[in-house]
Amino acid sequence: NAGVTQTPKFQVLKTGQSMTLQCAQDMNHNSMYWYRQDPGMGLRLIYYSASEGTTDKGEVPNGYNVSRLNKREFSLRLESAAPSQTSVYFCASSEAQDGDYEQYFGPGTRLTVT
Amino acid sequence: GENVEQHPSTLSVQEGDSAVIKCTYSDSASNYFPWYKQELGKRPQLIIDIRSNVGEKKDQRIAVTLNKTAKHFSLHITETQPEDSAVYFCAVLGGATNKLIFGTGTLLAVQP
Repeated sequence: NAGVTQTPKFQVLKTGQSMTLQCAQDMNHNSMYWYRQDPGMGLRLIYYSASEGTTDKGEVPNGYNVSRLNKREFSLRLESAAPSQTSVYFCASSEAQDGDYEQYFGPGTRLTVT
Repeated sequence: GENVEQHPSTLSVQEGDSAVIKCTYSDSASNYFPWYKQELGKRPQLIIDIRSNVGEKKDQRIAVTLNKTAKHFSLHITETQPEDSAVYFCAVLGGATNKLIFGTGTLLAVQP
């Protein structure tokens, strides 16, 4: 039982390049989330998927797109990376129903945009 | 939307002392209040949570109290140990959504 996995662990991009961050969970959770973490800013929600087939914007969606590929996988795409997107990105999953709202986080992806 | 404020941003205590971190929120319909601990370079992990129908919850050396009238909740750590050193985040689940809104974090340093 691997929990939530993310790839890659580290990435360096040049301004304007694109990339996709991958996330998968093996807990059969309904909901999945993408956060970014910047110093002094806490965890800010980029996009989330309440269930397979649905996605919604969070607090900071500009410059990102997501795909809920199936119940297990939720990817985050940067179409044209900018230095302001330098951050640590966490994926999380949760059952998010029947009173069970604990979110389980992946190990994170450290992204640097130069 | 929901607004969560967390204080203090940094906290330094001596080993064995108590630590208290406080969060305030704005949406009176919020009903779930977790606390996450994040060690350096690691992922956040849930350490304790409380629901709106309960005023206090304890788990060994940690406890959370909730004041729904005043819209604030607090994390209490007693008999602190060096391994308690980490960043702690409070969060609030919006009343009408499955989204958690996180506070900005508290860096707790426990001095041996």
